[in-house]
Amino acid sequence: SSELTQDPAVSVALGQTVRITCQGDSLRNYYASWYQQKPGQAPVLVISGKNNRPSGIPDRFSDSTSGNTASLTITGAQAEDEADYYCNSRDSSGNFWVFGGGTKLTVL
Amino acid sequence: QVQLVQSGAEVKEPGASVKVSCKASGYSLTNFYMHWVRQAPGQGLEWMGILNPSGGSTTYAQKFQGRVTLARDKSTTTVYMELSSLRSEDTAVYYCARATQGVFDYWGQGTLVTVSS
Repeated sequence: SSELTQDPAVSVALGQTVRITCQGDSLRNYYASWYQQKPGQAPVLVISGKNNRPSGIPDRFSDSTSGNTASLTITGAQAEDEADYYCNSRDSSGNFWVFGGGTKLTVL
Repeated sequence: QVQLVQSGAEVKEPGASVKVSCKASGYSLTNFYMHWVRQAPGQGLEWMGILNPSGGSTTYAQKFQGRVTLARDKSTTTVYMELSSLRSEDTAVYYCARATQGVFDYWGQGTLVTVSS
């Protein structure tokens, strides 16, 4: 079982805003990072703690944390944002890393 | 530019071992930790372990303790993941991923390992 919990699936209308959440006790102490994965491709980092986006990632992606919940927000979702999204952080011991189960985002 | 290039697909019988390589270029290997992550067909990402390429120290996920070995060859800037006692449940795509402050900023293209008799 994963120490980070994500909703299996979320949908959003084109151009609307969607929030994908990740819950876990370790998030009270460690930032989450978020990865986008499209079918047949390797994951890609989209954002890490405190809104750090790699170059090339649109600024419609943002993140936040409150208590034991980290959130990835896409403001004005585009068709190309349809993908699986995974959160990642250290576990509660701080010695290991763990992924959430992933959220499949559908853009309608 | 940073690149992680992994070795090709493998087919192994149950009980065998597999060794996957990940050649790093475009940066200094010893300045960044390297993680290994796998993904079974239709499933999510699973963290396997971390290697410090500078000193060679490792930490493995408890699930893989005793079966996985991470190593590096500094002369060829290549890191390796070896998994032993393979079973059908180990069929997956295996990824190496460079870490910057605990964030996986670059990933290899993935290596499919199929375990089948």
